[in-house]
Amino acid sequence: GENVEQHPSTLSVQEGDSAVIKCTYSDSASNYFPWYKQELGKRPQLIIDIRSNVGEKKDQRIAVTLNKTAKHFSLHITETQPEDSAVYFCAAKDGGSQGNLIFGKGTKLSVKP
Amino acid sequence: NAGVMQNPRHLVRRRGQEARLRCSPMKGHSHVYWYRQLPEEGLKFMVYLQKENIIDESGMPKERFSAEFPKEGPSILRIQQVVRGDSAAYFCASSPVGVEQFFGPGTRLTVL
Repeated sequence: GENVEQHPSTLSVQEGDSAVIKCTYSDSASNYFPWYKQELGKRPQLIIDIRSNVGEKKDQRIAVTLNKTAKHFSLHITETQPEDSAVYFCAAKDGGSQGNLIFGKGTKLSVKP
Repeated sequence: NAGVMQNPRHLVRRRGQEARLRCSPMKGHSHVYWYRQLPEEGLKFMVYLQKENIIDESGMPKERFSAEFPKEGPSILRIQQVVRGDSAAYFCASSPVGVEQFFGPGTRLTVL
């Protein structure tokens, strides 16, 4: 089955700097890669996603890149703000199943004002 | 659209009791997924259901755990004879076509 590795586990940046979180996956049949933001005690919120037929997708300060050959994808946050502080999870849709997501262990992002 | 609803938000049970967790998907969504999250950890898939059908239960323990999504009403995750190790946050997510998943607020289960 699918396995998703996420790095780093913690990330601290200064306000205004960029933050990059990287994930690798094992199943070459995986075709959908969402990113979720989870604030303490809250639900995971879908912030951006990418499908395997696209190499990059951008939404304002957030972008995701996908390298299918290397089986890795990354989240890029530019001009970080204190409200970006949260735990970010990457996920991959298991190519062998009909829809469940396999999640990375999360990255705790702290943006210092 | 009210979003995915879960209740109760917090549930306390003593060892050996039963826990029932409910999930109402977003309007128009017929796919429901249940995930479990331990403190400081990621989400682990448990079960995937469509109306009246279990599609994939590969992540759910074979004993004590069951799930259903009836034709009418919410999806229910049922844990019988709870043990302390069942303490976790249980999230459900719904999807219109089985791709994008939107999460509910979760039920935080504490087993005393």
